[in-house]
Amino acid sequence: EDKVVQSPLSLVVHEGDTVTLNCSYEVTNFRSLLWYKQEKKAPTFLFMLTSSGIEKKSGRLSSILDKKELFSILNITATQTGDSAIYLCAVEPHSGSARQLTFGSGTQLTVLP
Amino acid sequence: DVKVTQSSRYLVKRTGEKVFLECVQDMDHENMFWYRQDPGLGLRLIYFSYDVKMKEKGDIPEGYSVSREKKERFSLILESASTNQTSMYLCASRGTGIPYEQYFGPGTRLTVT
Repeated sequence: EDKVVQSPLSLVVHEGDTVTLNCSYEVTNFRSLLWYKQEKKAPTFLFMLTSSGIEKKSGRLSSILDKKELFSILNITATQTGDSAIYLCAVEPHSGSARQLTFGSGTQLTVLP
Repeated sequence: DVKVTQSSRYLVKRTGEKVFLECVQDMDHENMFWYRQDPGLGLRLIYFSYDVKMKEKGDIPEGYSVSREKKERFSLILESASTNQTSMYLCASRGTGIPYEQYFGPGTRLTVT
């Protein structure tokens, strides 16, 4: 059974801090790892990672995958109150009729002014 | 832009009632998914569908059924609602090619009293 574990479960920081969110996984026949951000509505897609060691970057957010150690990190630099959200990590196997994802429990990030 | 809509944002039902949650996507996606989201448990897959009239059980199908009569519409049915089905329900869709990520609807917060 595929498994995704995120840590920490919650995090409170102040504006300007840098945070690192962790995602470790066990999946049969790994295809990709995805990060989503969820505010008070639908999760929105951030990154998809398929190759080890290649950093994906979007503004102050970046993510990297380590396929040997089976984990990914999501970094947010110079945090802002608008970064407050639940960050979800999910993995996709090669198999599966709909390429269904397995999600972690999420990290609740709160950025205080 | 991909749009996934859900029939209700908030719903209150009584124990034993039959509940229908509807999801519609406008991108001609083959794959559609129903999740429930509970604090500390992340997103858990209830059912998914990879084609019209095709459905497969996810991780927690008990107490639920689904219907997919048209490609754009995927319905989740609670035959006899129970209080432990109080949750946030999220629908998602995904195509078979690029882009690979799932697109989510805004969610329905269901309360069963």
